[in-house]
Amino acid sequence: AQKVTQAQTEISVVEKEDVTLDCVYETRDTTYYLFWYKQPPSGELVFLIRRNSFDEQNEISGRYSWNFQKSTSSFNFTITASQVVDSAVYFCALSDSGTGFQKLVFGTGTRLLVSP
Amino acid sequence: GAGVSQSPSNKVTEKGKDVELRCDPISGHTALYWYRQSLGQGLEFLIYFQGNSAPDKSGLPSDRFSAERTGGSVSTLTIQRTQQEDSAVYLCASSSLPTTAGELFFGEGSRLTVL
Repeated sequence: AQKVTQAQTEISVVEKEDVTLDCVYETRDTTYYLFWYKQPPSGELVFLIRRNSFDEQNEISGRYSWNFQKSTSSFNFTITASQVVDSAVYFCALSDSGTGFQKLVFGTGTRLLVSP
Repeated sequence: GAGVSQSPSNKVTEKGKDVELRCDPISGHTALYWYRQSLGQGLEFLIYFQGNSAPDKSGLPSDRFSAERTGGSVSTLTIQRTQQEDSAVYLCASSSLPTTAGELFFGEGSRLTVL
C-alpha cells in the first residue's frame, strides 16, 4: 500500500532562515510520481512540483529546492532564506499504479510558521 | 472566475440532515476529484471523475456519501444523514490530464460543521 509520512507537524523559523521539510514515502512500484503542494491560510492548495521516479535530479526553483533520494525513499523540500509569505501548510503526495496514477495519497502536512 | 469554485464556503448543519456541496471545475478540465481534510489529518481521497468513464468511488467512507457530475462539468457531493464525524473541509480539484495525475487545481473548500 502507498503511504506518505511527514513527521514534522509544525516548524517555526525566523525570516531568512533556511528550512527543510521532510517527506518519506512507501510504494511497491518502480514507477510513481511525487508531489508537493502548499496550502496558505486561504485554504486553496497550490501545486509546487511533480517528480517522476525515474528522475532523481534535484530541482531548484528560485528559493525552493527539492532533494529526491530513492535510496531513502525521501523527497525533501528546502526553502532558502524563508519569508513570512512562506507560512503555510505543506503537503507531500504520491501516486502510483495502485492509485491508477490518478489519485494522490497525501501526507498529514507540515505547518511552517515564518516570523519576521 | 478562472479557478475551481466551491459552494457553500461554510455550512453548519444539524446531525441527521442532508447536505449538498457543489464544485465548478476549471472549464475544459476532464478530471474532477473530491478530497476531505479533517482537522490535523492529511487529505483523504473520496471520489474521482474522468470524462465519461465510471467514477472511482473507492474512497467514499460510507453509503451516506454520493457524488455526481452532470454534463462533465459541475459536481455535487451529497452527504445524507450527516454525523458529527463528517465535520471537515471538503476540497474539490480538477485537472486537464486524462491519464496521469498531474497538477491538480484546488478550490478553497467547503467547511462542513455538523452539530
